Amino acid sequence: QSALTQPRSVSGSPGQSVTISCTGTSSDIGGYNFVSWYQQHPGKAPKLIIYDVSKRPSGVPDRFSGSKSGNTASLTISVLQAEDEADYHCCSNAGSYTWVFGGGTKLTVL
Amino acid sequence: QVQLVQSGADVKKPGASVKVSCKTSGYTFTAYYIQWVRQAPGQGLEWMGWINPNRGGTKYAQKFQGRLTMTSDTSTNTVYMELSGLRPGDTAVYFCARDAYRSPNSFDPWGQGTLVSVAS
Repeated sequence: QSALTQPRSVSGSPGQSVTISCTGTSSDIGGYNFVSWYQQHPGKAPKLIIYDVSKRPSGVPDRFSGSKSGNTASLTISVLQAEDEADYHCCSNAGSYTWVFGGGTKLTVL
Repeated sequence: QVQLVQSGADVKKPGASVKVSCKTSGYTFTAYYIQWVRQAPGQGLEWMGWINPNRGGTKYAQKFQGRLTMTSDTSTNTVYMELSGLRPGDTAVYFCARDAYRSPNSFDPWGQGTLVSVAS
């Protein structure tokens, strides 16, 4: 299966909001409500921040929210903070117990 | 707390095999699948496959069919990922991750990663 499509980079100033898109097909994002998002700081392991499209694990601030429309999922980070600067990866169930990731998006907090 | 601790970095020559371990603790080993994901330098994450530690069932991404083997050892709560026929393009950090508590369609937590370098 082909990787999901994410913008290579996005940026925003502290206090602003940014949205990262993740585009797939009807065989992955469009076919299942099983999109997850991961935050990854340099040299670290990914951390789950959104699962099942829009649910947040305990401990993840409500500044992070997820949504989906058709074949595109989105992660919105509101009230940007310096520590949000990281790479963000989307992931979707792709059927037959397989998964597919996006190429990752680098978020820069200006 | 739930922890996944992976083996250390490794350097291999093209054509060789590498075996990475992922030792788990803090939960019932057989109750959650373990996923393997890799990340080439400067690239995104790539799903490789999963293993059900309970019965040893596996599912591999089509790209790795014939080269990838995942196994589990219930006596040590450890899973293993072995990749054969290594080529320079397999140079990457390899992560294990457990299916998340709230949803088996997401991965949490992750191991710290194991760098595998393939070079002649």
